[in-house]
Amino acid sequence: DAKTTQPNSMESNEEEPVHLPCNHSTISGTDYIHWYRQLPSQGPEYVIHGLTSNVNNRMASLAIAEDRKSSTLILHRATLRDAAVYYCILRDRKNNFGNEKLTFGTGTRLTIIP
Amino acid sequence: NAGVTQTPKFQVLKTGQSMTLQCAQDMNHNSMYWYRQDPGMGLRLIYYSASEGTTDKGEVPNGYNVSRLNKREFSLRLESAAPSQTSVYFCASSSRGWDRTYEQYFGPGTRLTVT
Repeated sequence: DAKTTQPNSMESNEEEPVHLPCNHSTISGTDYIHWYRQLPSQGPEYVIHGLTSNVNNRMASLAIAEDRKSSTLILHRATLRDAAVYYCILRDRKNNFGNEKLTFGTGTRLTIIP
Repeated sequence: NAGVTQTPKFQVLKTGQSMTLQCAQDMNHNSMYWYRQDPGMGLRLIYYSASEGTTDKGEVPNGYNVSRLNKREFSLRLESAAPSQTSVYFCASSSRGWDRTYEQYFGPGTRLTVT
């Protein structure tokens, strides 16, 4: 799987938008971009995923660059509960036989300032 | 739905002891996974099972064995624990989404210390 690069840490004020960047310059045409987050002392949880177009769900938005070499996870109004480590992961959609192995990097630790 | 459950939540072992970590899911998922997470690190895949009756090695399988007991349960066994296996262990299962991608659901983890 292609590699992703994320900042080690970011801070944001409560109730403000947060933009978490991810670079994936070696992404292939069949790679999906997935985001997971891990709250303190918990297992990771799925946030969002996309292929080419921007995506929205109840948790966040995913903005994907036109060349797909980077993406940004957007939390529209951060709360204290959003403090977590956020992981950007690429998954090859050709590999669809149930072995959805995820390769986690070290992610971005997001701190929310009250 | 309970989702993915893991037992025990905490465990302390002495070097050389053995134990089995249990995982169960009630979401009727075909695929299940075991990861470990060392302090300050991302998760690393130990073993996975794409369907009942099949298991495959992940990135760090040495020192572990797994059993896919049935569709719901996937256990991880440490035959002879070593201090290097001190870690937090996460079990996960996955479902196939509408666009043929898979979303993984994780359990709360087992914190294992080997002295």
